[in-house]
This record gives sequence, structure tokens and C-alpha cells, in this order.
Amino acid sequence: RKEVEQDPGPFNVPEGATVAFNCTYSNSASQSFFWYRQDCRKEPKLLMSVYSSGNEDGRFTAQLNRASQYISLLIRDSKLSDSATYLCVVNAFIQGAQKLVFGQGTRLTINP
Amino acid sequence: ETGVTQSPTHLIKTRGQQVTLRCSSQSGHNTVSWYQQALGQGPQFIFQYYREEENGRGNFPPRFSGLQFPNYSSELNVNALELDDSALYLCASSFKGFETQYFGPGTRLLVL
Repeated sequence: RKEVEQDPGPFNVPEGATVAFNCTYSNSASQSFFWYRQDCRKEPKLLMSVYSSGNEDGRFTAQLNRASQYISLLIRDSKLSDSATYLCVVNAFIQGAQKLVFGQGTRLTINP
Repeated sequence: ETGVTQSPTHLIKTRGQQVTLRCSSQSGHNTVSWYQQALGQGPQFIFQYYREEENGRGNFPPRFSGLQFPNYSSELNVNALELDDSALYLCASSFKGFETQYFGPGTRLLVL
């Protein structure tokens, strides 16, 4: 079983739509969770951290369910510029190092 | 921009050759992590360097090795290149103990 699993998509939605991404993780000891965005042929960039209480940043809302080991990202009123791959990321420790464990990524295309 | 730089941006090598990739971390950061991202996949943790020593390693063979220098910049060396080593190699800098990692633009390696 992969440490972090997410639907690879692709998701094709019209501009203005609401889109939701889901992700599950296997390590119940994980403490930190993130969503990264990656544009085509670019590096991943931190979109937002995910907290147990849920958090919102403008049109973006992230939720964490520790009991189900489930993370979600909701994008409201989607824009053309939201087209990218969204990576679900969990922090883990290995031999004292703090590493990021990435899901496969979900590709999103917003259509005009 | 993150302030993390990598060189070269692109590289073509043949099977069996050796390659060295370079990374300069963001000012004030003392930790560098390296990731390999194959096409269509999320980044995979290779190893992390802190205070010039390897500080954790993912599931990569010994032919993947690295260095960190006193100015916290880092190198990734790959010996005996294989076709499957073709990928985007990302370095990420951070400050030890802080979970946020900032990625450089990556080096795209093609092994023929």
C-alpha cells in the first residue's frame, strides 16, 4: 500500500466550478499535512498546510480527518490559473530526517 | 521565488555514466533534501543532509550519494546511470526542526 494515495485524475471542470480532491495516508503517526501545487515542468510549491480544525485560504479549503486518515482540498469558484497538478503531502521521519511523502498528484484542468 | 537554485537545468547522459547535480539552499537554511520525480509520479525522497552529513535516506541504492558543503549547498551524485534514472531531480531547503521545505526549479535528467 502506498504511503499517500490520491486519485490521479485528470479532472476537467469548467471555470467557476467547485472541485474537491481527496487523499488518504497510511501512517497514523503522521503529524503534518500539506497540499502542494505543481505547474507543468515546474517545481512543487506549497499551497497550504492542513490542520485538524480545517483551514481556509481564500477560495481554498483544506480538511483533515485523523480518525479516517483522510485529507481533502476544496477549490471554489475555480479560475483558469488553478490548472495544475495538486499533490497531497504528509510529513514523516526517517532516521532523524524529516521527509515529505508525496501522493501521485491529481491533475486539474479548468476549461473556459 | 524560493531562493533555492539548481544546476544544470537539463542534462542528457548515457547509460553507465556518472552525473553530479548541484543545489544552493535558501539563505539561512541549514538542511537540504533531494527528491526524484519520475514522469507522472509524485517526488520520492532520496536523502537529506544536515551539517554536512547524511541525515536520513529513502529507498535508493548506494550509487546515489551526496555531499553538503559548509555553506549548506549540496551535490547529488549518481553513478552507473540507468535508463530508469531519467527524472526531474529536486532539491529542497529548510531549517532543521521546521517542517516547511522550499523547492528549487529542479534538474531534468535524461538517460539514453
